[in-house]
Amino acid sequence: SQTIHQWPATLVQPVGSPLSLECTVEGTSNPNLYWYRQAAGRGLQLLFYSVGIGQISSEVPQNLSASRPQDRQFILSSKKLLLSDSGFYLCAWSVPDRGYEQYFGPGTRLTVT
Amino acid sequence: GQQVMQIPQYQHVQEGEDFTTYCNSSTTLSNIQWYKQRPGGHPVFLIQLVKSGEVKKQKRLTFQFGEAKKNSSLHITATQTTDVGTYFCAGQNSWGKLQFGAGTQVVVTP
Repeated sequence: SQTIHQWPATLVQPVGSPLSLECTVEGTSNPNLYWYRQAAGRGLQLLFYSVGIGQISSEVPQNLSASRPQDRQFILSSKKLLLSDSGFYLCAWSVPDRGYEQYFGPGTRLTVT
Repeated sequence: GQQVMQIPQYQHVQEGEDFTTYCNSSTTLSNIQWYKQRPGGHPVFLIQLVKSGEVKKQKRLTFQFGEAKKNSSLHITATQTTDVGTYFCAGQNSWGKLQFGAGTQVVVTP
């Protein structure tokens, strides 16, 4: 069966510090991968998606970047965090033979202070 | 661009009552998906509707896809406290892109 891992679960970082969030998927090959951000009590904002290794599409201009160094690994990064980067970061995967239904990881709650 | 709107934004329901949340797209969709996010949790896939006019049921939840494939609804009967959470619809266009609605946050009063 497929599983998705995200870490860390919670993170408190000062403004101006770097960020690296990691997401890995097990049990499937060549998945589409996604990074979302969710502000408190709000909807899901798609940040990045990837259809393959090294292929990243950005949905909104921002202080963040993403990379996909391996087929089932997706990394979200920032060189210098802003207060506005606080939020709940969710990684998700999908595959065409499951109708592109998205399966989300447990998420990382980031607080920038 | 494609927009998916959900109403209502908030839904307060007495336990045992029924309610419906609606999802509308500005463009025709290939399919529509529904997700549930419990408080403090992550979104969990519930169901996908593909055919025009399709109706699917999951116990007390009934999902419907409109004839024009531009709208959908989720109807919950006999609401229970376990139904608390935010329900998101997500419309997929012909290019495979999934657009999430803003969600309906459901609060159940015992």
